[in-house]
Order: sequence, then structure tokens, then C-alpha cells
Amino acid sequence: DVKVTQSSRYLVKRTGEKVFLECVQDMDHENMFWYRQDPGLGLRLIYFSYDVKMKEKGDIPEGYSVSREKKERFSLILESASTNQTSMYLCASSPGGESEKLFFGSGTQLSVL
Amino acid sequence: AQSVAQPEDQVNVAEGNPLTVKCTYSVSGNPYLFWYVQYPNRGLQFLLKYITGDNLVKGSYGFEAEFNKSQTSFHLKKPSALVSDSALYFCAVLLSGTYKYIFGTGTRLKVLA
Repeated sequence: DVKVTQSSRYLVKRTGEKVFLECVQDMDHENMFWYRQDPGLGLRLIYFSYDVKMKEKGDIPEGYSVSREKKERFSLILESASTNQTSMYLCASSPGGESEKLFFGSGTQLSVL
Repeated sequence: AQSVAQPEDQVNVAEGNPLTVKCTYSVSGNPYLFWYVQYPNRGLQFLLKYITGDNLVKGSYGFEAEFNKSQTSFHLKKPSALVSDSALYFCAVLLSGTYKYIFGTGTRLKVLA
């Protein structure tokens, strides 16, 4: 089974801190995604990557950046955390073909105080 | 704008009764359609998908979904609900030729014993 592992389940940070969320997948998937999940808003795409060092902005990239130096690892960076970035962050991966399903990690609940 | 609608925030059903969770979409082209389930403190798990062919798709845990092109709907169904089916359900559309998934806002299913 594909495993997508997010490094932290819960994280508490202060406003202005730089925050790193790490995600690792073990199935050699081409594509990796970062979503944030907020009640009543569903999942919104922040960034996705279709290859090492390749990335594309999603629907809500402001305040975030990403890094994919190795195929298995996709990091989400909050350059200067703000309270409105308090949310559940979900990492996902998928193989390279069309119509492929997403495999999700368990999520990181980030609280910015 | 391309969108996915889940008109019910919550659906309550008695154990043993049939359940339906509704999803409609508004996208151009022929999208791929998905259902995911999220149990408490977990990431999303794939349930089923529609790509082409038979309008009735069978998936995991006894769930099925019916694709209706004229009504642009993809409702999730199960003939006999279990208490363990209680979870948050997300409908999603993958725009053909892209890696962009659009998620609905989610429907909380509560199965009462």
C-alpha cells in the first residue's frame, strides 16, 4: 500500500515564525500536492508538483512556498506564519497517469497563535 | 466557474437503511469523478471513481455511485448503512487533461444505531 507520511500531526507556532511541513511518499509517485482543509470550504489546493524541482501554484498560494528536491519529499513552507493560516494541511500524491486517484497523508493540524 | 456542490452539510440515516450523499458538478469537458471518505483524525481515503462506461460504479466498503450526465450529478449510495460508515464524505472532480482536482465542501454522514 502507498504510504504518505506527514511529519507532524499537531503543530503550534507563533505569528511571524517560519514553518516547515514535511511530506514523504514511498511509492515513487510523480505528482505531489498540498491542500488545506477548512470547515465549510472543503479542500483547497495550495501547490502541486509534477516532478522534482517542478511546481505549480494552486488556488491559494499566497503566503506559502514549496520545495521538492527529491521525488519522495514535498515540503510546504510558511515564510511568516499568520493566524489565518491556522488550518488542517493535507499532503497527497498520485502516479503520473491521467484519472489517477489521490493518496493522502493523515494531515497536520497547524495552529498559529 | 468550475465547481462541485454537495448541497447537504449533514445527512442522518438509521443503521440498516439506504443512504444517499449528493454531489453535482459544473465543469467543462468530460471530467473524472471521485468520492473520498475522511474518518476522524485521518486523511482522505479513496472510495470510488467514474471515468467512462457503466453509469453505476462500485467501490470500497459496499459503496456505489451513480453518474448522471444530464443532471451533472454523481450521488454516493449504499443499500444498508452501518454505524461505522459515519464520516465526512467528499466528492471531487478531476478536470480532464490536468492534475487539478476540485473538491466539494464535504457532507458529514451520521448513521444512528
